[in-house]
Amino acid sequence: KQEVTQIPAALSVPEGENLVLNCSFTDSAIYNLQWFRQDPGKGLTSLLLIQSSQREQTSGRLNASLDKSSGRSTLYIAASQPGDSATYLCAVSGAGSYQLTFGKGTKLSVIP
Amino acid sequence: GAVVSQHPSRVICKSGTSVKIECRSLDFQATTMFWYRQFPKQSLMLMATSNEGSKATYEQGVEKDKFLINHASLTLSTLTVTSAHPEDSSFYICSASLAGGLGETQYFGPGTRLLVL
Repeated sequence: KQEVTQIPAALSVPEGENLVLNCSFTDSAIYNLQWFRQDPGKGLTSLLLIQSSQREQTSGRLNASLDKSSGRSTLYIAASQPGDSATYLCAVSGAGSYQLTFGKGTKLSVIP
Repeated sequence: GAVVSQHPSRVICKSGTSVKIECRSLDFQATTMFWYRQFPKQSLMLMATSNEGSKATYEQGVEKDKFLINHASLTLSTLTVTSAHPEDSSFYICSASLAGGLGETQYFGPGTRLLVL
């Protein structure tokens, strides 16, 4: 059974800092990995999707990497802003399955 | 494109009543829709997968008679929580897949917060 772990559970940084969020998964047989953002009481916003054959994806200040063999992904946020404050969720899609398995998320607070 | 809506966004009901939540794909046809539940400080958990015109597939531990799912068209799926109880209070999120293929990107709705008194 796939398990997804995100470390740290919470992170507080001053505005302007670069930061890294970590995600690990136990079964490397994945189809893709996604990073989402969730604001309090809201749904999910997809940030980046990395196919299993890819190593990284970039969107603006965000860069996500994937090391499938070691079961790890990182989300790098450059020059953090208070508006980046949210919970960031990592989810993997299993090969041959519709199911997305989510981590519990990392709650990010960017202090002005 | 690929917008998914949910209605209502919040609902408060008395214990024992039934609540229906709608999930719509606004600008695309969704062969497959998914229903998730999220308890506070927990990860999203898949409840069921529904394909248009067929019965939903429920995950282990999810009561199909309690959580009725109907996917009558390519743009609408509904989740009915029957005889809701306080322990059903949660955040329910749906998602829709464009082509229904394995590993396809899922587009998420904004969620529905259910509070059962």
